[in-house]
Amino acid sequence: AQKITQTQPGMFVQEKEAVTLDCTYDTSDPSYGLFWYKQPSSGEMIFLIYQGSYDQQNATEGRYSLNFQKARKSANLVISASQLGDSAMYFCAMREGWKTSYDKVIFGPGTSLSVIP
Amino acid sequence: DTAVSQTPKYLVTQMGNDKSIKCEQNLGHDTMYWYKQDSKKFLKIMFSYNNKELIINETVPNRFSPKSPDKAHLNLHINSLELGDSAVYFCASSLKRVSNTGELFFGEGSRLTVL
Repeated sequence: AQKITQTQPGMFVQEKEAVTLDCTYDTSDPSYGLFWYKQPSSGEMIFLIYQGSYDQQNATEGRYSLNFQKARKSANLVISASQLGDSAMYFCAMREGWKTSYDKVIFGPGTSLSVIP
Repeated sequence: DTAVSQTPKYLVTQMGNDKSIKCEQNLGHDTMYWYKQDSKKFLKIMFSYNNKELIINETVPNRFSPKSPDKAHLNLHINSLELGDSAVYFCASSLKRVSNTGELFFGEGSRLTVL
């Protein structure tokens, strides 16, 4: 069963506007971490932001913020003031079993974001 | 200095051949991974190693054999290549400590094309 769901295969946003990329997850672990990665057309994987399951505050990193709703098991990425360079694939990921021997990071299917001038 | 480096970046080979991809990290991380990204961009974990010990093997065919000579290196050898092995293979590393987030640091990927 899919543990990470990203329901938007493709999104468009006007330059300078904000955009929200959706992510829902499923885990029975009480301790887990959530990540967002960006993959531009050049192919590298770029870490954007992290949210721990016990973190009280939503994570923010510059123009990126993570809207973490634990009870709903959602971890949406908000990009403010979109730029042309934000056009890329965005992956939501979850680390399960953190600090155990079986911990691993699994990825959602990704959302392709296109920023329109 | 590149934190996680993979070689080669591109491989083009015939079905049935054997090939290897090498990965090295200079971050002092204790855990390394191989991920496969298919043509639809889906990223799937294949293996993880912690301090040279195999931790996760995600039901990958026996034709794939990872090897970690030390905790800074994780290589992937693939025997009898099949068309379906064509993909981008990413190496990644992370650090297991209480105080850090444990995010993955990725290499640039190795694009394997099997003809």
